[in-house]
Amino acid sequence: RKEVEQDPGPFNVPEGATVAFNCTYSNSASQSFFWYRQDCRKEPKLLMSVYSSGNEDGRFTAQLNRASQYISLLIRDSKLSDSATYLCVVNRIGFKTIFGAGTRLFVKA
Amino acid sequence: DVKVTQSSRYLVKRTGEKVFLECVQDMDHENMFWYRQDPGLGLRLIYFSYDVKMKEKGDIPEGYSVSREKKERFSLILESASTNQTSMYLCASTPGIGGRRGYEQYFGPGTRLTVT
Repeated sequence: RKEVEQDPGPFNVPEGATVAFNCTYSNSASQSFFWYRQDCRKEPKLLMSVYSSGNEDGRFTAQLNRASQYISLLIRDSKLSDSATYLCVVNRIGFKTIFGAGTRLFVKA
Repeated sequence: DVKVTQSSRYLVKRTGEKVFLECVQDMDHENMFWYRQDPGLGLRLIYFSYDVKMKEKGDIPEGYSVSREKKERFSLILESASTNQTSMYLCASTPGIGGRRGYEQYFGPGTRLTVT
């Protein structure tokens, strides 16, 4: 079983839709959690950190459930430019970082 | 803006060659990382370094070594390239300061290595 698991998708949604991604992690000692975005043939870039209390950045909302060991990302009012792969990232102690394999999102006009 | 640069975007090498991939960051970051990314497998950590001359194995270190002689530079070495090392190689750095910001990773553009 992978340490960080994501639904690979793809998710195909129309513009304006709300879409949610989930990610589960198996190591209960994991400390920090992030969502990264990766465009085709580009490097990953930090989208947002995930805080225990949940946090929002514009149209994006991230949630963490430590008891169930899952992280979620909600995108509201999807734009064409949101089309990308979204990577769930978990940090173990000591800066070791585990990336999920990513969830592909296609937003269509 | 943090800038992480990698020496080559594309590289083609022959089986058995020694390959050097270079990564440089300009923000005085403490930690540097090398990953490889393959379809369906995501990013996998090869090695990381938390200080000059310090290194730790990641999840897939076999067939690779690293060197960090200066804080800003982290090199990945394939001692004898094999076809199963054909992949996208990504370098990253993190500030290493306390708190959540210390874990935020900044990536270089990647090197697509083909071993024939």
